[in-house]
Amino acid sequence: GENVEQHPSTLSVQEGDSAVIKCTYSDSASNYFPWYKQELGKRPQLIIDIRSNVGEKKDQRIAVTLNKTAKHFSLHITETQPEDSAVYFCAGSVGGGADGLTFGKGTHLIIQP
Amino acid sequence: DAGVIQSPRHEVTEMGQEVTLRCKPISGHDYLFWYRQTMMRGLELLIYFNNNVPIDDSGMPEDRFSAKMPNASFSTLKIQPSEPRDSAVYFCASSQGGQYYEQYFGPGTRLTVT
Repeated sequence: GENVEQHPSTLSVQEGDSAVIKCTYSDSASNYFPWYKQELGKRPQLIIDIRSNVGEKKDQRIAVTLNKTAKHFSLHITETQPEDSAVYFCAGSVGGGADGLTFGKGTHLIIQP
Repeated sequence: DAGVIQSPRHEVTEMGQEVTLRCKPISGHDYLFWYRQTMMRGLELLIYFNNNVPIDDSGMPEDRFSAKMPNASFSTLKIQPSEPRDSAVYFCASSQGGQYYEQYFGPGTRLTVT
């Protein structure tokens, strides 16, 4: 089955700086890669996703890039703000998400004032 | 739209007892997923349903776990008998269609088995 590795497990950045979280996946048939944000004690919420036929997608301060050859995808957050502090999870799916998601272990992003 | 509803929000039970977690998906959503979150194992898919039919239960850890979806607006995840290692947050999620549709998570049920 699919295996998703995520790095780093903890990331501390200064407010206003950029943050990058990286994931790799094992199944070359994976075609859908969402990113979820989870605040302490809350539910995971989708922040951005990308399909395998797209190399990059942006939404305001957030962007995701996908390298299918290397089986890597990354989350980029620019101009970080205190409210960006949370745990971020990457995920992959072979069936476009309809078969469920395989999650990475998460990255705890800390925004230092 | 009330979102995905789960009950109870917290459950504390003793080892050996039966536990039933409940989920009401978003109206009109055809897919329902059960996930478990622990510090050690992260977020894991347990089982998912399409149009009330279980499609893949390969993530269910043991025969002690069972899930049902008797109708489009209700699903249960049952653990019998419960063990301390079942302590986790159990999330239900739903999506409105097949590929590439967002999965909306419920608030979760925090289960503690003593």
